Amino acid sequence: SQKIEQNSEALNIQEGKTATLTCNYTNYSPAYLQWYRQDPGRGPVFLLLIRENEKEKRKERLKVTFDTTLKQSLFHITASQPADSATYLCALLEYGAGNMLTFGGGTRLMVKP
Amino acid sequence: DAGVIQSPRHEVTEMGQEVTLRCKPISGHNSLFWYRQTMMRGLELLIYFNNNVPIDDSGMPEDRFSAKMPNASFSTLKIQPSEPRDSAVYFCASSLESQGGRGYTFGSGTRLTVV
Repeated sequence: SQKIEQNSEALNIQEGKTATLTCNYTNYSPAYLQWYRQDPGRGPVFLLLIRENEKEKRKERLKVTFDTTLKQSLFHITASQPADSATYLCALLEYGAGNMLTFGGGTRLMVKP
Repeated sequence: DAGVIQSPRHEVTEMGQEVTLRCKPISGHNSLFWYRQTMMRGLELLIYFNNNVPIDDSGMPEDRFSAKMPNASFSTLKIQPSEPRDSAVYFCASSLESQGGRGYTFGSGTRLTVV
């Protein structure tokens, strides 16, 4: 069966450290993968997209990697700040799925001062 | 642009009543999605419209759920009759398919409680 797995346990890190979140998928052929941030009581907000032929993408303090052999994407926040505390969701678009994204369950990140 | 606008923000209703959720997508976006989010199941896609036409409704739980998109600027999700297990946050999202790489824009959601 198809699965997109993110660590359901919260990730607690100290301010200034690098946060690394994992997204693993099974039985998908993704054209690309996206990462979203969701704050309590709000809808998800798009952060970054990485295509299947890209290894790495950066945006300010964010970095995403995509390993189609391992079927995994890693999402890094460097120099983390308490304001980065939120739930982070990965989502993938499979070839032939039109414009339909499938989301993982999300990982909650807590950055402590 | 004001973003994707959903109404109401909160809805509390009694079991058996009809519930209608509303969504105004971003002007110019041609894809619209309804998602449901719960702690247990995360974000689940209910239905996907492209150019106002339903493309995939395989996520609609059962016949009690229906969705319409009469024009490019408005969509509704109706539950009739509602049941306590329908309690969740319902999100509407829109995107421009040709720019799928820009991601979806989500509304703030409607928190539905069925008692």
